[in-house]
Amino acid sequence: EDKVVQSPLSLVVHEGDTVTLNCSYEVTNFRSLLWYKQEKKAPTFLFMLTSSGIEKKSGRLSSILDKKELFSILNITATQTGDSAIYLCAPGGSQGNLIFGKGTKLSVKP
Amino acid sequence: KAGVTQTPRYLIKTRGQQVTLSCSPISGHRSVSWYQQTPGQGLQFLFEYFSETQRNKGNFPGRFSGRQFSNSRSEMNVSTLELGDSALYLCASRRQQPYEQYFGPGTRLTVT
Repeated sequence: EDKVVQSPLSLVVHEGDTVTLNCSYEVTNFRSLLWYKQEKKAPTFLFMLTSSGIEKKSGRLSSILDKKELFSILNITATQTGDSAIYLCAPGGSQGNLIFGKGTKLSVKP
Repeated sequence: KAGVTQTPRYLIKTRGQQVTLSCSPISGHRSVSWYQQTPGQGLQFLFEYFSETQRNKGNFPGRFSGRQFSNSRSEMNVSTLELGDSALYLCASRRQQPYEQYFGPGTRLTVT
């Protein structure tokens, strides 16, 4: 059965801190892994990773995938209160459906 | 470019009734997926449609069904509603490749 585990489940940090969110997965016919940010609305797309070892960056956010060890990490540097959200990891199989983890709830305090 | 739209945004129904939710994908996107999100189970995949054909289905009872029209718009139907069907129903669209899916705002369904 497909499985996605995110850790930690929740995290409280102060502005300026750097955080690392973890995602391990076991997915049949894995093709790609996506990261989403969800505030009080629908998930917003952040990154899609398909190759091991290639870091994707967008401003203060970056992510990397390890297809051998079956995990991905999402880094956020110099956190801001606007980064407070639930971060969802979703590997996808060959059929295209995404399997979502339970998410990491990040709270950034001023 | 307009994003994914879903209607209605909020819905209150009674146990035993049925409901139809609608999703219009981003222009040019031919794949539409539906997800159910609840506090306990998180985001769970319901089904995906591509070119009017159901391509993949999650582990939900037959009361949950869907369809896709030739303009890629999709509808999801839930019959004989149960209290446990109360959830946020999200629709996401994408081109066939790559896999990045873009979500609509969701329909919040409350079953009383």
